[in-house]
This record gives sequence, C-alpha cells and structure tokens, in this order.
Amino acid sequence: EPEVTQTPSHQVTQMGQEVILRCVPISNHLYFYWYRQILGQKVEFLVSFYNNEISEKSEIFDDQFSVERPDGSNFTLKIRSTKLEDSAMYFCASSDRGYTEAFFGQGTRLTVV
Amino acid sequence: AQTVTQSQPEMSVQEAETVTLSCTYDTSENNYYLFWYKQPPSRQMILVIRQEAYKQQNATENRFSVNFQKAAKSFSLKISDSQLGDTAMYFCAFMKPWTSGTYKYIFGTGTRLKVLA
Repeated sequence: EPEVTQTPSHQVTQMGQEVILRCVPISNHLYFYWYRQILGQKVEFLVSFYNNEISEKSEIFDDQFSVERPDGSNFTLKIRSTKLEDSAMYFCASSDRGYTEAFFGQGTRLTVV
Repeated sequence: AQTVTQSQPEMSVQEAETVTLSCTYDTSENNYYLFWYKQPPSRQMILVIRQEAYKQQNATENRFSVNFQKAAKSFSLKISDSQLGDTAMYFCAFMKPWTSGTYKYIFGTGTRLKVLA
C-alpha cells in the first residue's frame, strides 16, 4: 500500500542551526502539507503546497520556514535558524484531489537543544 | 474562522463495549468535509472515517460510525465492540473546500481513549 515516508524519524539539533525535514509523498498525489504537533497539544497546520507553490501558510510559518519540492518526488521543510519552541513532531501529508483525505507520514520528532 | 472543539480530553471504555466521542465545530461554510483521525502511541495519524457535509447519510466504516448533525454542527464518532487496539488519541478535523482558497485541516484538541481489558 502506498505511504508517505518521512526522514529522519528523530532529529536533535542545536538552537540556531538549520534543519531540513524530508518527505516522500505518495507518487500520484498533487497536494502536499506540513503540520506540527507540539507534545501533548493539537495538530496545527503549517503550510500547503500545490502546483509548485505555496497555496496557504499559517502564522506559524514565518520567514524562518521554507518548503521545496526539489525533484518531483521529495517535499522538504527547512527551518533556517531553529528555536527551542520549534521542538515538535512534524508531519508531512499528501492527497490526490485535495478534498479527499490526506495521508500522513509517521512524523519527524524534532528536538532543539 | 473555523474552530473544532472536542470537549472530552480523556475517556475509557471496557473492551467489547461502545463509546462515543464528541466533536463540535463552527463554520459559516455550507460545503465542507469532516474527518476523524486516530493517533496511536506510534504517533502516526491514521484516517478513521470521513463525512461530506452535503451528504445526509452518516458515514460508516466497519465498527466506526458517525452521527453528523449539520444544523447543530456536531460530528460524533461511535466505536462499537471496542478493541484494545483502539486505544489512541482521536482527533476530529474540519476541512473547508477549495473554493475558499485552499485545502487544510483544522484539528480539535483530541480525545485520549483507553480501552480496558
């Protein structure tokens, strides 16, 4: 069964360092998303991406964040200068027609120390 | 702005019994989609069930069913014959349609369900 794959599963980084979280969406999907879940809290929307551009971003997704689909298969989330409060579980998701359900990856746990 | 409220932070149910998780939402949209996602201890988000707002018939998926009350903006999840593997965090989610500019989920705060042996 096709699935969304995220790497790494856990990343520890020093405050101020850049991190790149990687995702391989399901191959025929056209809509891509990043969500974040701070431990014990709800899942929050970060950004949606369609047709090689951002279609919407939340207020969390400030200038420190960027997304890219560099090669037609990977979908990455970059945080330029990490802060302690960026520590969270980051989920990538994809869907084929947008209004259908999104399939989520298993998440990347980011710990900023 | 849309909001999703899950008023039960934690619930427990005996194995084989039935449990209902509540969800209410607020929106001015007429067409939208509602979902229940399950997050087991592995933390992966797994779709449980989906409901289109324009459909009056409640969605059903095996032991999982919803009670969708559009006028009341209520979308509860019923789990029948609860199994130990149903132990997880359950999130209710709202999605507005593309005509509103984009697709994205708005999640509730979740209900932690524990199934007791």
